[in-house]
Amino acid sequence: EPEVTQTPSHQVTQMGQEVILRCVPISNHLYFYWYRQILGQKVEFLVSFYNNEISEKSEIFDDQFSVERPDGSNFTLKIRSTKLEDSAMYFCATYSGSPDTQYFGPGTRLTVL
Amino acid sequence: LAKTTQPISMDSYEGQEVNITCSHNNIATNDYITWYQQFPSQGPRFIIQGYKTKVTNEVASLFIPADRKSSTLSLPRVSLSDTAVYYCLVGDKAGANNLFFGTGTRLTVIP
Repeated sequence: EPEVTQTPSHQVTQMGQEVILRCVPISNHLYFYWYRQILGQKVEFLVSFYNNEISEKSEIFDDQFSVERPDGSNFTLKIRSTKLEDSAMYFCATYSGSPDTQYFGPGTRLTVL
Repeated sequence: LAKTTQPISMDSYEGQEVNITCSHNNIATNDYITWYQQFPSQGPRFIIQGYKTKVTNEVASLFIPADRKSSTLSLPRVSLSDTAVYYCLVGDKAGANNLFFGTGTRLTVIP
């Protein structure tokens, strides 16, 4: 089965630092998403991305967050100035339409100290 | 979005059939019911989707009564590897739409 991959698996950073989380989507998938899951809580939608632009974003996705597809393969989530409350698992997901489901990556655990 | 209600947790012995029920009283006419599975430290994984009556695949069955106000995910003969959190989502069928997860049901399979 095709897989979404994410790097790094675990990122530790100091509060106020910038982090970039990377995702390699399944080949030929055109829709991309970021979700996050704070420890012990539910999976929350952050942003969706299609045709090189943001399709939709949640209230969580404020000005500190940005996404891009810099080289046509990777899909990145940047947090400009991390806060303690940004500590969470961040999941990338991708979708192609066939089959009609999103595929999630294994996640990046972000720890902000 | 239709609100969903599931039990917080369930325990089952290996080899038993497990049924997890989800209530969604405000389901809309064009909403589908989709179940995802999440293992610890992994992303959610699609299990099954249905609109009405019964759907079965190699992993599970999904039972939806005529009024569609609830649905039941049935896992036959669970094993230890089925220990996970199971999420019921209700919404538009299109997989491209953003997914909104509830708190899910934590299933623990006991040897």
